[in-house]
Amino acid sequence: SQQGEEDPQALSIQEGENATMNCSYKTSINNLQWYRQNSGRGLVHLILIRSNEREKHSGRLRVTLDTSKKSSSLLITASRAADTASYFCATDAGTSYDKVIFGPGTSLSVIP
Amino acid sequence: KAGVTQTPRYLIKTRGQQVTLSCSPISGHRSVSWYQQTPGQGLQFLFEYFSETQRNKGNFPGRFSGRQFSNSRSEMNVSTLELGDSALYLCASSLAGANYGYTFGSGTRLTVV
Repeated sequence: SQQGEEDPQALSIQEGENATMNCSYKTSINNLQWYRQNSGRGLVHLILIRSNEREKHSGRLRVTLDTSKKSSSLLITASRAADTASYFCATDAGTSYDKVIFGPGTSLSVIP
Repeated sequence: KAGVTQTPRYLIKTRGQQVTLSCSPISGHRSVSWYQQTPGQGLQFLFEYFSETQRNKGNFPGRFSGRQFSNSRSEMNVSTLELGDSALYLCASSLAGANYGYTFGSGTRLTVV
């Protein structure tokens, strides 16, 4: 069964704009992770946010986590064409080494 | 340091055959997980190995199996291949488990004809 689900499924923006993707999940978690995948290649780890954290930044990326709403958002500021990729949220099911389940992803297109 | 290495990159097999895929994790990483990615089902968790023991398993039939060696290298095997097994198989290594963040390999693209 799917733990996390991203929204929207697809997003198209102009270069320089901000992109926001959301992830909702069903059960309590230890942490939530965001990954990026370019054209069927391997996934790249972006950010891991723990359940006791509310916000985390990495360069142009900002991730928030609201455990009361079981949701997270990924904000990419000042987007570039190179940000065009699929973005996935990944969640565990609450134990320290439980399997991590990926959502279906958001496909982001940044138009130059 | 070297990344996660998956071999081969591409593979074409016939229905009914079996296949073995290999993954060499980052040096020092003890956890290796395998995922199957298809356009219809997305990323599906296959199994996770830690210190040569299978620690977690997904909902795949017994035709899918894996193992991990003492040097943390891992192999997965699919027997009696079906057309539906065509997918990108991704290996992910982690220091001690997925909750430390994965480093993914580039994947093995398996096509079953």
